[in-house]
Amino acid sequence: EAGVVQSPRYKIIEKKQPVAFWCNPISGHNTLYWYRQNLGQGPELLIRYENEEAVDDSQLPKDRFSAERLKGVDSTLKIQPAELGDSAVYLCASSLNSGRDYEQYFGPGTRLTVT
Amino acid sequence: EDKVVQSPLSLVVHEGDTVTLNCSYEVTNFRSLLWYKQEKKAPTFLFMLTSSGIEKKSGRLSSILDKKELFSILNITATQTGDSAIYLCAVEPQGAQKLVFGQGTRLTINP
Repeated sequence: EAGVVQSPRYKIIEKKQPVAFWCNPISGHNTLYWYRQNLGQGPELLIRYENEEAVDDSQLPKDRFSAERLKGVDSTLKIQPAELGDSAVYLCASSLNSGRDYEQYFGPGTRLTVT
Repeated sequence: EDKVVQSPLSLVVHEGDTVTLNCSYEVTNFRSLLWYKQEKKAPTFLFMLTSSGIEKKSGRLSSILDKKELFSILNITATQTGDSAIYLCAVEPQGAQKLVFGQGTRLTINP
């Protein structure tokens, strides 16, 4: 079974430029998460989708960050414009959410460097 | 605010040693605590704990939860170089369906 797929794996951009990350969750997983992990820290949730609906985006900086999950499968996370402080690893995870079985499976992440 | 604190932040031991990693938490309406191992980038699931005093075990790794004192420990016996990784602890608040992570413990096993 294929795991969570993310692309690109690495991205280097100059500040003020836009950037987008893509995530394909495990087939059949209805819940999708985007996390940001700063160096030396644990992942922090940015947004959670249940199918195509964003049910928790309280930690998403909405002035520059946006996300979508059209058709409830793939998702994209966009930053426009990027700032130096956005340099981090952006992790996507998915889960099935059936009863108590909601273990999250993580993708390999995208390492963003803003110069 | 929900909070997870791990200690130590960094640990270096020799192959064959036993290590204990700590995780303390403050969360409203606790549902579960999870341990992940992070090598390179993707965290991989180790354990989910929901009840106090019941040890979860997988090979040389084991974990236990104390809901009264609000902490969990992860033990690794007979460590190997392949155990070198960042170990993340996370809690799930009841009804939230999200994880609050600690900052992780970076474990290095020297041959």
